[in-house]
Amino acid sequence: SQQGEEDPQALSIQEGENATMNCSYKTSINNLQWYRQNSGRGLVHLILIRSNEREKHSGRLRVTLDTSKKSSSLLITASRAADTASYFCATDYNAGNMLTFGGGTRLMVKP
Amino acid sequence: DAGVIQSPRHEVTEMGQEVTLRCKPISGHDYLFWYRQTMMRGLELLIYFNNNVPIDDSGMPEDRFSAKMPNASFSTLKIQPSEPRDSAVYFCASRGTSGGRPEQFFGPGTRLTVL
Repeated sequence: SQQGEEDPQALSIQEGENATMNCSYKTSINNLQWYRQNSGRGLVHLILIRSNEREKHSGRLRVTLDTSKKSSSLLITASRAADTASYFCATDYNAGNMLTFGGGTRLMVKP
Repeated sequence: DAGVIQSPRHEVTEMGQEVTLRCKPISGHDYLFWYRQTMMRGLELLIYFNNNVPIDDSGMPEDRFSAKMPNASFSTLKIQPSEPRDSAVYFCASRGTSGGRPEQFFGPGTRLTVL
């Protein structure tokens, strides 16, 4: 299986702090994507990093990718209560057609 | 665009009954995916279509599950007969290939409870 594994499974921080989530996977990928899921909702795409990229930024999000270690991290800076959600990494080894999702990290940001 | 639309949002049925879940993808998207999410197994891809043609159904758990896409704007996932272990949230997602962006757009999901 190529399923990614995420670490930690749950994270609780105070508003204003940074949150870091990690994802490990098993085989070569085209790209790695991060999604957010609010309770009772569908997943929303956050950011994509291609296999030839090492770091990418989008607003308060920073994603890194280390293909030698087969791992990625998602950093949310200056967290807000509205960032409370589950975050999933998804590995893409078939040009967007076969995403394999990790188990997710449940982030709680306390006001 | 309204995004991916799924119906119903909630479905409660009894074991043995037929269940049909519906999805309308984003207009212009040529890929459609069906996923199932449970606490135990996480998010699993069941089947995906390209231009209305099923491409990979290796994730469909049993013959009780079937999916169709009669046209570019509609897909169904059917479970017949349903069993309590089918209880889960079922998501439909779509993706467009123009622009080369591989991200998928998810619907709000259908929460299925089989008693």
